[in-house]
Amino acid sequence: ETGVTQTPRHLVMGMTNKKSLKCEQHLGHNAMYWYKQSAKKPLELMFVYSLEERVENNSVPSRFSPECPNSSHLFLHLHTLQPEDSALYLCASSQGQNQETQYFGPGTRLLVL
Amino acid sequence: GDSVTQMEGPVTLSEEAFLTINCTYTATGYPSLFWYVQYPGEGLQLLLKATKADDKGSNKGFEATYRKETTSFHLEKGSVQVSDSAVYFCALSPSGSARQLTFGSGTQLTVLP
Repeated sequence: ETGVTQTPRHLVMGMTNKKSLKCEQHLGHNAMYWYKQSAKKPLELMFVYSLEERVENNSVPSRFSPECPNSSHLFLHLHTLQPEDSALYLCASSQGQNQETQYFGPGTRLLVL
Repeated sequence: GDSVTQMEGPVTLSEEAFLTINCTYTATGYPSLFWYVQYPGEGLQLLLKATKADDKGSNKGFEATYRKETTSFHLEKGSVQVSDSAVYFCALSPSGSARQLTFGSGTQLTVLP
């Protein structure tokens, strides 16, 4: 039981499409994260939200647009993506300020054609 | 900046063999250290963690000891099972900042019956 759910689990989209990834956490946490996991590369932190405010944006291209409407939900809006954006996108959440564990969802496997 | 270095995989073992996956880190202060596991087709799950020097994290027969003098957090298991086949990630969280999880590149473990 993960406590963090992500939909869809798989997504295929063309470079001109617009789609959104959804994450929901059922753990009462106050911080949420988007990560990108590409083959043979370490996980890359994309965005961090704390108390629904974006506190970190690690030089992510503007074709990725996050949204955090409340502490339980996090979206990643996608538009005009490139084939190199194909990856597993992982959502995570945590509670507390210092050295707290992050809990991950199962991820959305994205393929951009 | 902070970094985590894991032994390169893939690692292939027979069932009941002893497992060691090396992890060393570079960080200032006193980071927290984690091992995450990713089973095929799933997101990351926390396996164990340690928050201060000489702490030993343990779970499901896996252990890792926080060694500040050697800046290491090696993962060990005395007798692996086929069900342990997965990718293992070492990670650190800098002291005072839970939001900056830095991951190693992951080590693929395959256990053969």
